[in-house]
Amino acid sequence: QQKVQQSPESLTVSEGAMASLNCTFSDRSSDNFRWYRQHSGKGLEVLVSIFSDGEKEEGSFTAHLNRASLHVFLHIREPQPSDSALYLCAVNTGYQNFYFGKGTSLTVIP
Amino acid sequence: EAAVTQSPRNKVTVTGGNVTLSCRQTNSHNYMYWYRQDTGHGLRLIHYSYGAGNLQIGDVPDGYKATRTTQEDFFLLLELASPSQTSLYFCASSDVWGVTNTGQLYFGEGSKLTVL
Repeated sequence: QQKVQQSPESLTVSEGAMASLNCTFSDRSSDNFRWYRQHSGKGLEVLVSIFSDGEKEEGSFTAHLNRASLHVFLHIREPQPSDSALYLCAVNTGYQNFYFGKGTSLTVIP
Repeated sequence: EAAVTQSPRNKVTVTGGNVTLSCRQTNSHNYMYWYRQDTGHGLRLIHYSYGAGNLQIGDVPDGYKATRTTQEDFFLLLELASPSQTSLYFCASSDVWGVTNTGQLYFGEGSKLTVL
């Protein structure tokens, strides 16, 4: 079964500073990766999807995938206090269930 | 944009109680899912369905039943609720199975269940 781990568990950054989140997975044949954001008391919204090695940018969010090292990163450019939320990584291999990490709780300080 | 609506948003019951969580999606998606979210575990798939009358078992199905009565409606049933089922439950829908290059998951806002 796929193992998905996220680090750090929590992260505090100042407004405008880059925030970098890490997700590691166990199955090198995985081919679908999503980053979601969850504000407190809300559902999940997809931020960026990536399917091949390299980078994918969506607004202020950039995902970076390196399957050889089993990592997918999320970089948040110039985060705002409204970006304070739980960030979840989801990984899928082919037409199977996809697995979530436990999340990184991001706090952006004004 | 796909709309997924869950009810109730909050529910408190006692051990042994009977609980039904409801989910309705309005985008004609074939697939619907029930997840639970717990601190220290992330989201885990309980049951899913690819159409009315269909039910598939997820990763943590014990203690849960589910029914898909129509394409729009998917219900999660806890017939003898236990404190270990205290959790935040999410329903999701998609037009393809899981997460694929074309598919996308749309989540409801969650149902918080407390079993005393």
